[in-house]
Amino acid sequence: SYVLTQPPSVSVAPGKTARISCGGNNIGSKGVHWYQQKPGQAPVVVICYDSDRPSGIPERFSGSSSGTTATLTISRVEAGDEADYYCQVWDSSSDHYVFGTGTKVTVL
Amino acid sequence: EVQLVESGGGLVQPGRSLRLSCAASGFTFGDYAMHWVRQGPGKGLEWVSGINWNSRSKDYADSVKGRFTISRDNAKNSLYLQMHTLRPEDTALYYCARDAMVAAPPGVGYFDHWGQGILVTVSS
Repeated sequence: SYVLTQPPSVSVAPGKTARISCGGNNIGSKGVHWYQQKPGQAPVVVICYDSDRPSGIPERFSGSSSGTTATLTISRVEAGDEADYYCQVWDSSSDHYVFGTGTKVTVL
Repeated sequence: EVQLVESGGGLVQPGRSLRLSCAASGFTFGDYAMHWVRQGPGKGLEWVSGINWNSRSKDYADSVKGRFTISRDNAKNSLYLQMHTLRPEDTALYYCARDAMVAAPPGVGYFDHWGQGILVTVSS
């Protein structure tokens, strides 16, 4: 089965840049979507199709994907960005949607 | 405003059955594929099952295939998940989620709207 690997945690100071990786076999050939989940809340999509921002998502959120790694970048990090972040793709070989292992972002 | 409201969760003994429902409003329900995604206590997200707009295509995670059945009633704007032979490892918060793309084939879209989730606890 297709596996997406994320670092368990990322710590960043306010105003700095956080980068969250998502590793998977040939992930650059798939559409990657990113979700933010704050404690006690449902997930919210922050990036779709590698680098598109849905309506209402700040420009501080950006994404890229190539080869075996996709990356979510949060610029000028704010306290409100503290959350769990998950990447997600569609695995056509199994007809399954796959989520990454998740990364907890802590704002110092 | 898109709204998804899950119901039907609760405490159930291992081996028993449970049926979850998701009531949709604020959009043309019959135009969109729908999904169930779950999250075990302290764990990550796991896609469980998806159904396309006209019910002709249904997919399941390996962990639930043969035990869970997804269905929908477009006339009632409702999504369902029938769960049989429940196991302790099925304990989770179950989310109903909408596919972002209208009438899209599986895999094209992503999950653009989510309910608040309903808790299912499988324990004796």
